[in-house]
Amino acid sequence: SQQGEEDPQALSIQEGENATMNCSYKTSINNLQWYRQNSGRGLVHLILIRSNEREKHSGRLRVTLDTSKKSSSLLITASRAADTASYFCATVPPTSGSRLTFGEGTQLTVNP
Amino acid sequence: EPEVTQTPSHQVTQMGQEVILRCVPISNHLYFYWYRQILGQKVEFLVSFYNNEISEKSEIFDDQFSVERPDGSNFTLKIRSTKLEDSAMYFCASRDSGGASYEQYFGPGTRLTVT
Repeated sequence: SQQGEEDPQALSIQEGENATMNCSYKTSINNLQWYRQNSGRGLVHLILIRSNEREKHSGRLRVTLDTSKKSSSLLITASRAADTASYFCATVPPTSGSRLTFGEGTQLTVNP
Repeated sequence: EPEVTQTPSHQVTQMGQEVILRCVPISNHLYFYWYRQILGQKVEFLVSFYNNEISEKSEIFDDQFSVERPDGSNFTLKIRSTKLEDSAMYFCASRDSGGASYEQYFGPGTRLTVT
């Protein structure tokens, strides 16, 4: 089954606005993580939320997790042009070690 | 800040040739991974490695693939006989074993082009 589907696929906003990206998944999880990927580069870990947590903050990032709906959202507040990147959610199932299963990603463009 | 490094950054090879992609994980990390990303697609797990053996592998990781930690610092992915569909970005990642930390640190990737 496909795990981690983000929406929207692409999001274009103005600098200073907030950006919200959503992720849905199908199987149970141990934790859910968000990663950023700048064009042609590696993935950078942003934030991890465990299955028993509902919300987590890190700087301008806010992540929520609703395990009953199998969904998560990533909010970036006061966006900057440097936030332009692809954002992926990745899940870690409770039983299969620590492999990450990535979603399709949201391409965020922040216009100056 | 310590980081995962990968070499080469770009590898071009002919179909049927063997390639070895190299990674140097963060020095005190114990878990190592390979992922790949075909252009325009999502990142896919290939294999995880712990305590000098494969701990998990995906259906993509068939007999053409192998991994090795030949010394205390390098972690390699070998593709024995490359196919056109092996063209992708290959990412190495590592993590430590501290507590319940699942954060993985990714290298910048090797772009493999099979012609």
